[in-house]
Amino acid sequence: RKEVEQDPGPFNVPEGATVAFNCTYSNSASQSFFWYRQDCRKEPKLLMSVYSSGNEDGRFTAQLNRASQYISLLIRDSKLSDSATYLCVVNPPRGSTLGRLYFGRGTQLTVWP
Amino acid sequence: EPEVTQTPSHQVTQMGQEVILRCVPISNHLYFYWYRQILGQKVEFLVSFYNNEISEKSEIFDDQFSVERPDGSNFTLKIRSTKLEDSAMYFCASQAGGETQYFGPGTRLLVL
Repeated sequence: RKEVEQDPGPFNVPEGATVAFNCTYSNSASQSFFWYRQDCRKEPKLLMSVYSSGNEDGRFTAQLNRASQYISLLIRDSKLSDSATYLCVVNPPRGSTLGRLYFGRGTQLTVWP
Repeated sequence: EPEVTQTPSHQVTQMGQEVILRCVPISNHLYFYWYRQILGQKVEFLVSFYNNEISEKSEIFDDQFSVERPDGSNFTLKIRSTKLEDSAMYFCASQAGGETQYFGPGTRLLVL
């Protein structure tokens, strides 16, 4: 059983396009949810946390559906610099596994001019 | 902006040799982690460390692995007798009291 599942892509979109990534997680008691971005051969970097109410940061919008155990990331007006792998990351309940993050395999995005 | 640093950036070693990977977490952080990423695969948790002891370790973190915080600033991962399948990118991460873990740039380990 995979803790976090993502569509690996790749997604190839033109500049200016809107693209959406999805992710599901298996532990219904999970507490915290994140999207990280990973450039080729680099470390994961936090893009944004994901809250039940949904949250937006500029061109990026993240949504969490606890009932469906589903997380999404929407990127509007894609830029060339958005090309990267997007990692769905889940932190299970505190008290069971303190701080351990579970990563999805990532969804690869290429934005072309 | 404070960063997690790791040394070396690359390490090549022979199978059976010991390696020590070093990390300097962000100075006021309390929780420390090692993760690894085999080429083309997902990032996997190895171990977490808090209050000078291991909080949790994964099934990957067997007796060949150990961690230490020898001097209050460095956080090290030792692999006693490397195997070919230990070849991976090893990331250190640190965390203050909140949710966010900050990752170092990684050490790329190649075992021949």
